[in-house]
Amino acid sequence: AQSVAQPEDQVNVAEGNPLTVKCTYSVSGNPYLFWYVQYPNRGLQFLLKYITGDNLVKGSYGFEAEFNKSQTSFHLKKPSALVSDSALYFCAVRDSRGGSYIPTFGRGTSLIVHP
Amino acid sequence: EAGVAQSPRYKIIEKRQSVAFWCNPISGHATLYWYQQILGQGPKLLIQFQNNGVVDDSQLPKDRFSAERLKGVDSTLKIQPAKLEDSAVYLCASSLGGGLAGVQETQYFGPGTRLLVL
Repeated sequence: AQSVAQPEDQVNVAEGNPLTVKCTYSVSGNPYLFWYVQYPNRGLQFLLKYITGDNLVKGSYGFEAEFNKSQTSFHLKKPSALVSDSALYFCAVRDSRGGSYIPTFGRGTSLIVHP
Repeated sequence: EAGVAQSPRYKIIEKRQSVAFWCNPISGHATLYWYQQILGQGPKLLIQFQNNGVVDDSQLPKDRFSAERLKGVDSTLKIQPAKLEDSAVYLCASSLGGGLAGVQETQYFGPGTRLLVL
């Protein structure tokens, strides 16, 4: 069965510093990987995705993520954090192999950027 | 373009009552998803439609939950009877394509319906 792990419930970073939100996954086939952000009382918003090709994926709001097949990771990064980046971040995976391709989400990581 | 619309935004009911949620996806989107997001957890897929057909409902508690997408556009999710553990946010999402190509596509989420069962 496929799974996603976000090992940190909360990440704290000072404004202007680089940030990393971690995600590891497990699938039987090739992974399709996604990052979404959720602001309070709102639905999830798409940030970026990895389907195939270049391991470094660039997305919205200056975020990027690196697909690492050997470590089965897809960590979200940003070179310089903003206070407005404070939100809940979800990693999701879909398996390229299998009958239903159910999307599986991690538990989420709360990012807090301090002024 | 208009986003995914959901109503109501909030609902409070007592256990054993029934409740229904409505979702209107982005125009032209073939695939529609319903998720349950319990506080402190990630969204869990309940059911996925492609047009008006069910793609996957393996995680839908069918003894109490039902969903339909008549005419392949709007969708309703119903809970009857509700239990305390059904308290959650119910998210609707849609994506443009279906089938294998749709697996790679971005999902667009609505604002969710927050359900509290007392």
